[in-house]
Amino acid sequence: SQKIEQNSEALNIQEGKTATLTCNYTNYSPAYLQWYRQDPGRGPVFLLLIRENEKEKRKERLKVTFDTTLKQSLFHITASQPADSATYLCALPPNTGFQKLVFGTGTRLLVSP
Amino acid sequence: SQTIHQWPATLVQPVGSPLSLECTVEGTSNPNLYWYRQAAGRGLQLLFYSVGIGQISSEVPQNLSASRPQDRQFILSSKKLLLSDSGFYLCAWGGQGESEVFGPGTRLTVL
Repeated sequence: SQKIEQNSEALNIQEGKTATLTCNYTNYSPAYLQWYRQDPGRGPVFLLLIRENEKEKRKERLKVTFDTTLKQSLFHITASQPADSATYLCALPPNTGFQKLVFGTGTRLLVSP
Repeated sequence: SQTIHQWPATLVQPVGSPLSLECTVEGTSNPNLYWYRQAAGRGLQLLFYSVGIGQISSEVPQNLSASRPQDRQFILSSKKLLLSDSGFYLCAWGGQGESEVFGPGTRLTVL
């Protein structure tokens, strides 16, 4: 089965800087990879999906890269704001079978003013 | 637009008591539905998923069960709660492309 690794330590950055979060996976390369944001006490919210044939995807201040050789995705938030503070989860589909995502444990981002 | 509801928002139950958590979806038909549990400081664990009425697949052996009596209703149950059942329970539906839409969650504390 797929194993997903996200840095369990919180990432602390200053407002205005770029935050970079990492998602590494083992075993098979997925057809796509997703990123979600989760605030305390709330359900995750979908942010971005990047497919295996896409190197990079952008949405406003967010940028995701997908390196199938390294088996890694990077999630960037440029010009970070305190409101970006949350836990960010990456998720992958299974190699075959029913559509159900496997989630990483997430990395907590803290943006200080 | 599609919305997903869960209730209750919080629940404190004694060990050995029964459990029933409900999830309903609006604005979509025949959705794939999921139940997840998130223990403190841990990732999302898929418990059950359903592709249609009466069709339930279990991911993890446990003392929980799920049912789907209606197209847009998904229920998580237990006959006797354990301390280890404490956690944040999330219902989700899949249908917007490959992403999942999560409900607000239920915080369950078993004492």
